[in-house]
Amino acid sequence: DAKTTQPPSMDCAEGRAANLPCNHSTISGNEYVYWYRQIHSQGPQYIIHGLKNNETNEMASLIITEDRKSSTLILPHATLRDTAVYYCIVRVKGRDDKIIFGKGTRLHILP
Amino acid sequence: DGGITQSPKYLFRKEGQNVTLSCEQNLNHDAMYWYRQDPGQGLRLIYYSQIVNDFQKGDIAEGYSVSREKKESFPLTVTSAQKNPTAFYLCASSIAGRGNTEAFFGQGTRLTVV
Repeated sequence: DAKTTQPPSMDCAEGRAANLPCNHSTISGNEYVYWYRQIHSQGPQYIIHGLKNNETNEMASLIITEDRKSSTLILPHATLRDTAVYYCIVRVKGRDDKIIFGKGTRLHILP
Repeated sequence: DGGITQSPKYLFRKEGQNVTLSCEQNLNHDAMYWYRQDPGQGLRLIYYSQIVNDFQKGDIAEGYSVSREKKESFPLTVTSAQKNPTAFYLCASSIAGRGNTEAFFGQGTRLTVV
């Protein structure tokens, strides 16, 4: 079973920041938080990942709480092309690296 | 170009026939994965392999079989025992066991069984 919980859907106005939450209350110390997104009928696209510290790249920022039990993906200036399903997953370092997806959040960007 | 390739993009089969979906990667990744996705649903893990000649069942392995004879290839066979095979199938690859490296996904094969 997935170790993450996400809201099923969210809306965001175009040009505003989209903040997507994820709960991973049972995360272990050696598990990373990853975010992927999937645009309809395509393969998932990697966005960002982190372990403890906040991370930023050209696509997004990842904010991980100090207790690591939740995180937020931030798309700073959402566009219509950001409409997709966003998946938050935890991934363990080690032999049994299964990469289990949950149901994700369907993000609607409103013009 | 380096990447992961699934073929074909669309596949039609008659009920009761086995069908094999291809997944090839030239990223030198040890780990490979197969997922199934139904309309409006998330990805469910079918099988995964961390190394050549070894693979593990995922959450929904019944009715499927895989082989991992080469590092580059991880074909998935949908057998006649799979009760509801029509779905979108995705393959992924990654460096094995590191946890901190991204997985790369193919563009998927949409299988329709009639």
